[in-house]
Amino acid sequence: EVQLVESGGGLVQPGGSLTLSCVASGFMFSAYWMSWVRQAPGKGLEWVASIKEDGSEKYYVDSVKGRFAISRDNAKNSLYLQMNSLKGEDTSMYYCVRGLYGSSWGQGTLVTVSS
Amino acid sequence: DIVMTQTPLSSPVTLGQPASISCRSSQSLVHSDGNTYLSWLQQRPGQPPRLLIYRISNRFSGVPDRFSGSGAGTDFTLKISRVEAEDVGVYYCMQATQFPHSFGQGTKLEIK
Repeated sequence: EVQLVESGGGLVQPGGSLTLSCVASGFMFSAYWMSWVRQAPGKGLEWVASIKEDGSEKYYVDSVKGRFAISRDNAKNSLYLQMNSLKGEDTSMYYCVRGLYGSSWGQGTLVTVSS
Repeated sequence: DIVMTQTPLSSPVTLGQPASISCRSSQSLVHSDGNTYLSWLQQRPGQPPRLLIYRISNRFSGVPDRFSGSGAGTDFTLKISRVEAEDVGVYYCMQATQFPHSFGQGTKLEIK
C-alpha cells in the first residue's frame, strides 16, 4: 500500500522558517517525480514545487521562489520542503504528492504563519 | 503560465442522475512528447484529494467506471454517469504539461 506521511508543520511567526518532511512507503520512491501542493483554509489547491526522480530538476511557483527549497533523499525515501521568510499567505495545509499526475497524496501537514 | 478554468463552480445533482464538469486551459496541454497531462481529482470533505483520471481519459486504479474523462487540446470534461452519495465533494482539473503546474478553481458537487 502506497503511503505518504508528512510532518513538520506548526505555528511559526512571519519571517520564520520551517522544514516539512514526507516519508514514502509502498512504492519505488526513486522512480517518481515528487511534489508539494498546498491548500489554504477553505480554498482550492495550489501547486508549490516539484523535483525530478534523481533530484536534478526542481521547479517552483513564483510566489515561493527564493524562499522555499524542495529536496529529496532517495536512500531514506524522503521528500523535504525547506521554507524560509514565511508570510501569512503561506498558511496552508501542505500535501506531499507522488508523480506528475498526482497519483497519491498524503494526509497533509498544517502550516500556520501568524504572530 | 497556464490558467485552468472550470465550469460550473457548483453543481447540484439528483442522486442517480448524470453530472458533467468542464475544464478549459489557456493554452494547449499537448506536451512535446505527444501526451496531454490533464488529470481530474476528487476531494471529499475533510479528506486529501485523490486521483480519478489521468492523461484525459485514463481511470486510476480503483476508480468506479461511472467516472469518465474526455477532451483534447484545451477543452476537457469529467462525466459521472450516475451520481452516488459518496461522490459529494470538490472536483479539480490539473495540468502537468508545463511548469508551473496548475489547478482549476474546483467544482463543488452537491446532492439536491
